[in-house]
Amino acid sequence: DAKTTQPPSMDCAEGRAANLPCNHSTISGNEYVYWYRQIHSQGPQYIIHGLKNNETNEMASLIITEDRKSSTLILPHATLRDTAVYYCIVRVAKNAGNMLTFGGGTRLMVKP
Amino acid sequence: GAVVSQHPSRVICKSGTSVKIECRSLDFQATTMFWYRQFPKQSLMLMATSNEGSKATYEQGVEKDKFLINHASLTLSTLTVTSAHPEDSSFYICSAGGLAAGVQYFGPGTRLTVT
Repeated sequence: DAKTTQPPSMDCAEGRAANLPCNHSTISGNEYVYWYRQIHSQGPQYIIHGLKNNETNEMASLIITEDRKSSTLILPHATLRDTAVYYCIVRVAKNAGNMLTFGGGTRLMVKP
Repeated sequence: GAVVSQHPSRVICKSGTSVKIECRSLDFQATTMFWYRQFPKQSLMLMATSNEGSKATYEQGVEKDKFLINHASLTLSTLTVTSAHPEDSSFYICSAGGLAAGVQYFGPGTRLTVT
């Protein structure tokens, strides 16, 4: 699996967009970028994933650079409930799922 | 998204006793489930892969005789911590996939405290 690099922590003002970067310069052509988050004392929550095109769902947007060496998760209007550790994971997609390797993630603190 | 439940959410047990944790996929079938462990201020670490109808696959350093995994049906996997000790105190989380390729859905976790 390709290694990812994320800043250890970030702050964001409530109501503003939170932009969380992830570097994955060794990503392979068949590897997807997945984003999960973990709110304190809860199990991780799937957010979004993509291969090369930008993706958007009800939770967030995922912007992947053209060379696929980095990506940004965007929470358009951060709320206090978005305070969590955000994990960027690069992995080949397989049917029936496959285990995930978690790095340190980015601890996002949304402040009033 | 898919729902995965865990029971119990929190358990306190005495040293030397065994504890069973259940992981259920509520609205989908999962041939494979995963068990993770998370110590305070650390990231999740995979313990084992649970395969329906066959033996679990354990990660290096995880004692298979201590952490017994049973995946008897497509919606239920159990993790039994045998002869628990205080160092087994941790947050145990299961996950299951199978809907969207590569996406895992996680349970809410079980906080185990061994006294």
